[in-house]
Amino acid sequence: QSALTQPASVSGSPGQSITISCTGTSSDVGSYNLVSWYQQHPGKAPKLMIYEGSKRPSGISNRFSGSKSGNTASLTISGLQAEDEADYYCCSFAGSTTWVFGGGTKLTVL
Amino acid sequence: QVQLVESGGGVVQSGGSLRVSCAASGFTFSNSGMHWVRQAPGKGLEWVAYIRFDGSSKYYADSVKGRFTMSRDNSKNTLHLQMNSLRVEDTAVYYCAKDLNGGYALDYWGQGTLVTVSS
Repeated sequence: QSALTQPASVSGSPGQSITISCTGTSSDVGSYNLVSWYQQHPGKAPKLMIYEGSKRPSGISNRFSGSKSGNTASLTISGLQAEDEADYYCCSFAGSTTWVFGGGTKLTVL
Repeated sequence: QVQLVESGGGVVQSGGSLRVSCAASGFTFSNSGMHWVRQAPGKGLEWVAYIRFDGSSKYYADSVKGRFTMSRDNSKNTLHLQMNSLRVEDTAVYYCAKDLNGGYALDYWGQGTLVTVSS
């Protein structure tokens, strides 16, 4: 149950696009299309942004999109807005009814 | 609307025990799997445990296996996490979260309750 690997930080200017990677192994990200992504603002609870790799829950902007290639999943945010500044976490089903999170990425909107 | 409200956090000495709870409303609790996730101060999220909708099976992270026990009372729409043999490294905000049925994701989260384990 080793944590998934995410970059510690990414940044972008308003209107730009950024991508956050999430690297796991063939036992988690690579075995299942069950990666989810969460946004967390300071002092707040996490919020589900993407599930099953690329699906958006109701109410989530289509500026948020997810994808996967091999053992790496990615979250792309297009048309960056100031309110997108937050911490982002990936999470993968890891088999045997367990889950594993990434270490988190701090997104700064310049 | 879905609401999850955790309670029971506090300060406990290393080696001690504590039970945190989560009151659920706004959805059919008895139909939903539930999770506990924790976040140490200034750190990332860590999945802790999952319980099936009927309580028939429970699954734990290696870091808490044998020390923590998750349970639920579907008649009271309540989730519990009994934490024994607590360690300083268990200090964290503990969140309960609803499972997105069939989606293998956590779609609603509570605001969390802080557990501090002192040495």
